[in-house]
Amino acid sequence: GQQLNQSPQSMFIQEGEDVSMNCTSSSIFNTWLWYKQDPGEGPVLLIALYKAGELTSNGRLTAQFGITRKDSFLNISASIPSDVGIYFCAGRQGGSEKLVFGKGTKLTVNP
Amino acid sequence: DAGVIQSPRHEVTEMGQEVTLRCKPISGHDYLFWYRQTMMRGLELLIYFNNNVPIDDSGMPEDRFSAKMPNASFSTLKIQPSEPRDSAVYFCASSFDRDTEAFFGQGTRLTVV
Repeated sequence: GQQLNQSPQSMFIQEGEDVSMNCTSSSIFNTWLWYKQDPGEGPVLLIALYKAGELTSNGRLTAQFGITRKDSFLNISASIPSDVGIYFCAGRQGGSEKLVFGKGTKLTVNP
Repeated sequence: DAGVIQSPRHEVTEMGQEVTLRCKPISGHDYLFWYRQTMMRGLELLIYFNNNVPIDDSGMPEDRFSAKMPNASFSTLKIQPSEPRDSAVYFCASSFDRDTEAFFGQGTRLTVV
């Protein structure tokens, strides 16, 4: 099946630092979504992107839909301890109803 | 709305037993998805429904797995007989239509011993 390459696999940062992670594919996607998963919970939607070039913010989180439609990135500014978790990108290709997920970026924030 | 509701949250069963996982999607959502999450393979789509009709079950690993959606507010994923390699977290998700975001339940952690 279609693969989404998400990087980095893991990040260890200090509280207050900014974080950036991205997702790439060899194919074009019409929708990019970013989710966060806490231990023992299901993924929770953070940001949804539907148009190439779109830049959307949700509090300290900002995500962009790449202009080539083959990538997306997520930035977290001024990280705090509760940002700890696994962040997943997900994408949907045109004409498809399936949502494909990246392998996730595990974020650790040291206070 | 309470969101997507899954039950049970945890299930421990012996190899060979039948396991049934349950899901109640968000009211008004036309799409329902079943995913399996493991460390090795991440989140894998098993099957999805549109208006209670199974559309694509190509992700179902074996004939031991089956899923039904008898009405708009209920779906089941059944494994019979279960095997240790089926141990994983199973998620149900629903979306309003084909182009919008999917919302996930809290998952069922299945352990087959």
